[in-house]
Amino acid sequence: GESVGLHLPTLSVQEGDNSIINCAYSNSASDYFIWYKQESGKGPQFIIDIRSNMDKRQGQRVTVLLNKTVKHLSLQIAATQPGDSAVYFCAEKGQAGTALIFGKGTTLSVSS
Amino acid sequence: DGGITQSPKYLFRKEGQNVTLSCEQNLNHDAMYWYRQDPGQGLRLIYYSQIVNDFQKGDIAEGYSVSREKKESFPLTVTSAQKNPTAFYLCASSLGPRNTEAFFGQGTRLTVV
Repeated sequence: GESVGLHLPTLSVQEGDNSIINCAYSNSASDYFIWYKQESGKGPQFIIDIRSNMDKRQGQRVTVLLNKTVKHLSLQIAATQPGDSAVYFCAEKGQAGTALIFGKGTTLSVSS
Repeated sequence: DGGITQSPKYLFRKEGQNVTLSCEQNLNHDAMYWYRQDPGQGLRLIYYSQIVNDFQKGDIAEGYSVSREKKESFPLTVTSAQKNPTAFYLCASSLGPRNTEAFFGQGTRLTVV
């Protein structure tokens, strides 16, 4: 079965606010945790990943935090824009040779 | 243009018929994947292939079959044994089995009536 999941199915924010999307995972053996963004009618797109031996990684306007103690992953989006509206999935990847395993997704809605 | 192409975008089939979904990539990627997405659900892994002539079952392989005869191509056949085949099917590829960045196609929406 699934070993990753998200706390909330939907999140609504105002343009310019910071967004925090959360994910709980159960497989402590995963090597990487990854965030993907899926816009309506399209396939998911890679955002950022974090290796299991790290606790924070920053990208452009995004930050991923990993708390292995409580098996929690979060994606922070700074200054959220309408173009950030999408479904966000967390995923995990085990050792080489295994495929990405996805959680159920959080729908982010950004209003102007 | 480099990328991953799924065809067709929409597909309708009658119950009891097998149907094959196409997935082609020109990214020179070794690994390819098939996922199924249902409304409000995440992506569930059907099959994946790390290299030509090799593939492994995912979490929901029953009722599906694949082949990987060429590096560029990873077709998925939805057989009549699949109990609930109506879904959105996504194909993806990655440079290798270690890579976390997968590139997805636009998906095929299959409707079985």
